[in-house]
Amino acid sequence: DIQMTQSPASLSASVGDSVTITCRASQGISTHLAWFQQKPGRVPELLIYAASTLQSGVPARFSGSGSGTDFTLTISSLQPEDVATYYCQKYDTARRTFGQGTKVEIK
Amino acid sequence: QVQLVESGGGVVQPGGSLRLSCATSGFTFSSSGMHWVRQAPGKGLEWLTFIPNDGSFQYYAHSLQGRFTVSRDNSKNTLYLQMSSLGAEDTAVYFCVKDPELYFWGQGNLVTVSS
Repeated sequence: DIQMTQSPASLSASVGDSVTITCRASQGISTHLAWFQQKPGRVPELLIYAASTLQSGVPARFSGSGSGTDFTLTISSLQPEDVATYYCQKYDTARRTFGQGTKVEIK
Repeated sequence: QVQLVESGGGVVQPGGSLRLSCATSGFTFSSSGMHWVRQAPGKGLEWLTFIPNDGSFQYYAHSLQGRFTVSRDNSKNTLYLQMSSLGAEDTAVYFCVKDPELYFWGQGNLVTVSS
């Protein structure tokens, strides 16, 4: 089975900083990669699909890139409301494995 | 609008069984595959299982070791997850998720395995 590895597990940055989260697939998945944001006690919300397509309503400071095995999620100017845990998920097949998550905090 | 409502959770003793349900509305259930995902307290998201629209096969995460069975009743627009030999590691919020979209999730249902 394809494994999804996210890094870092957590990060702390200042408001306005650019932050990057990486996700690596153990095998190529083309661009069948999504990013979710989950705030405490809430259902995960889709940010990006097809590796780089912003879901409707998501602020433009979020962006995604990558294909094959290596992917990144970037928040260009971190805002207080971005405090959350972020997950990548592959969907090249119906086995939709998630990455372990990255917890983002404000310094 | 698409609605997914999980039910059937609660407290169950170690070694016990439980069946979760996911009642759906707002879309043609018989045309959609479905997933179950769970999240243990303070932990990450774990994909568990997928069943296609006609229930003709199922995929499971290897971690389940054959203890869980997904099924569906298209006449009732309802998805099920039968869980057996439950252990503390199965304590989690369980979500049903509509395929193929990535953004239709239920609100989740808490299962607590405890004596």
